[in-house]
This record gives sequence, C-alpha cells and structure tokens, in this order.
Amino acid sequence: NAGVMQNPRHLVRRRGQEARLRCSPMKGHSHVYWYRQLPEEGLKFMVYLQKENIIDESGMPKERFSAEFPKEGPSILRIQQVVRGDSAAYFCASSPHQRGETQYFGPGTRLLVL
Amino acid sequence: KNEVEQSPQNLTAQEGEFITINCSYSVGISALHWLQQHPGGGIVSLFMLSSGKKKHGRLIATINIQEKHSSLHITASHPRDSAVYICAVSQNAGGTSYGKLTFGQGTILTVHP
Repeated sequence: NAGVMQNPRHLVRRRGQEARLRCSPMKGHSHVYWYRQLPEEGLKFMVYLQKENIIDESGMPKERFSAEFPKEGPSILRIQQVVRGDSAAYFCASSPHQRGETQYFGPGTRLLVL
Repeated sequence: KNEVEQSPQNLTAQEGEFITINCSYSVGISALHWLQQHPGGGIVSLFMLSSGKKKHGRLIATINIQEKHSSLHITASHPRDSAVYICAVSQNAGGTSYGKLTFGQGTILTVHP
C-alpha cells in the first residue's frame, strides 16, 4: 500500500505564474488536508477536503489559492499569480474515514518563487 | 499566545541520554499527535493519543488531559533521533471533532555521538 504521494517534489516558478501541487492520498483514504510550512515557521492548516467537497478552508488565503479533490484523481492545490511570499513547503496528509484519526503525511512539495 | 506550546525549542543531548520534550495546549482536543520531521524531509506520525500513555520502541508519549499537557520521551537516545519533533492537536469544540491539526513550533533535537 503506497503512502501519500505528492508531486512535484520541487517546483520553481517566477512571480505571476501559476503553481499546481498534486496529492494522491493513501488507498482507501477519503480525507485530505493541506498544510503549509513557511521558512523558519511552523506548520499551518490550509484546507480540509473530502471527495468532491471542501469541508474547511478557514486557513486558505482569500485570494489566489484554491483546492479541489475530484471524484477521480488527485487533490490539487492551485496558487495563481504566485508571489515570493508563497515560497514554502506544502504538505498533504490523508486519513481513512473519521475526523481526528491519524493523518499520514506526504513528502511535501517545496515551492520556490523567483 | 499560541494554542499549542512546546518546550524546549532546541535540545542538545549526548548519545544514550534520556530526552523529554513537553507540549502544552489551551484548547479542547479530541487527540494529540507527535510528529517527526527530518531536515528537508517529510513528516512522520509517531503517536496519536487521547489519554494515558503509548510506547513504541524507545519512544514513549504521555498525556494528562486535566492539565492539558503531553510529553514525548526518548530513551537511550541515538544520533539518528536528531530531527524536529512537533506536537499537534485535533481540536474538539462543543462536541464536534475537527480533523485539522494545530501545530506547536517544534523542538529541534540534536544528539551527538
């Protein structure tokens, strides 16, 4: 059973470009969480999704950021018109069924905005 | 004040020493998680606990719900234990459990041979 997969592992974008980060949860997991770790800072919650639904997006910046978890395929975190302050490690985690269960983390995507 | 506080922020030990990392929280929780992150690496879940004590190999995690405090202990520490250890909580408000995690700032552990 493969773990949580994220790609790309490293992504370089110039200011104003779009960044698409992908997360494939563990097999059988229907809950996905996205977290961001800014340089020299702790992890922060961004968004919680179940298949085809956004459950909690209270940690998402109001503009330029969006997330989806379609019925088929990976979860996508999309950042439009990136700025240097978006440079961070973005981690995805998944859990099987219920809230509050152990979350399994992916290896992260390191985004660098030039 | 952060909802989850860890201490110490940095910890240096000699191989073989017993290590304790502390975590205090100020919100209602459904579970507390201990995570490990190696430099430039991913995040591994070590423990999830809502009461009592759990043990896995040389790692022990305890939680005191009344005092809103948890500790992570490492016995017979080894250089390969060097990593950042992160405490996180799943909040519980009004009987509703929220899956999202709220994190402490992490404790940087360095174990010298």
